[in-house]
Amino acid sequence: EVQLVESGGGLVKPGGSLRLSCAASGFTFSSYSMNWVRQAPGKGLEWVSSISSSSSYIYYADSVKGRFTISRDNAKNSLYLQMNSLRAEDTAVYYCARERYSSGWLADYWGQGTLVTVSS
Amino acid sequence: DIQMTQSPSSLSASVGDRVTITCRASQSISSYLNWYQQKPGKAPKLLIYAASSLQSGVPSRFSGSGSGTDFTLTISSLQPEDFATYYCQQSYSTLRTFGPGTKVDIK
Repeated sequence: EVQLVESGGGLVKPGGSLRLSCAASGFTFSSYSMNWVRQAPGKGLEWVSSISSSSSYIYYADSVKGRFTISRDNAKNSLYLQMNSLRAEDTAVYYCARERYSSGWLADYWGQGTLVTVSS
Repeated sequence: DIQMTQSPSSLSASVGDRVTITCRASQSISSYLNWYQQKPGKAPKLLIYAASSLQSGVPSRFSGSGSGTDFTLTISSLQPEDFATYYCQQSYSTLRTFGPGTKVDIK
C-alpha cells in the first residue's frame, strides 16, 4: 500500500525557517517524481514545487522561489521542503504527492498533510 | 505562467442530478489536464487525468472531456458522497497550476 506521511509542521515566527519531511512507503520511491502542494485555510490548492526521481529537475512556484528548497533522499525514501524567510501568507496545510506520467503528469497519491502556521 | 479558471465557483445540486464543471486554461494545454476531488479535512483525490482518462477505482459516473483550452468534468448522476470541491490542474507546464475550485453542495 502506498503511504505518504508528512511531518515537521508547526508554529513559526515570520522570517523563520522550517523543514518539512515526507516519508514514503509501499512503492519504489526512487522511480517517481514528487510534489509539494499547499492549501491555505479556507482556500484552494496551490502547487509549490516538484522534483524529479533523481533530483535532476526541480521547479518552484514563483511565490516560493528563492525561499523554499525541495530535496529528496532516495536511500531514506524521503522528500523534504526547506522553508526559509517564512511569511504569514505561507500559512497552509502542506501535502506531499507522488507524481507519475501517463499521457501527462498526474499526482496519484497524497499524504494527509502537515499544518504550517506563520505568526508572531 | 498558465492560469486556470473554473466555473461555476459553487453550485447546489440534488442527488441524481447531472453536474458539469468547466475549466479553462489561459493558453492551449493540449490534453494535459487533471481533475481532483477534495472533501473537507482530507487530501485531494485524483479522478481524471489526461483530460478524459478515469483513474483506477473512480466510479464511471465521473467523466472528463476537452482539449486545448476548454475542459469539462461531468458527474452523470450525483451521489451523496460526491459533495465536495473539485479542482482542475494543468500539467502542460513544469509549473503546475490548479484552478480555484468548484464547490458542489446539497440543494
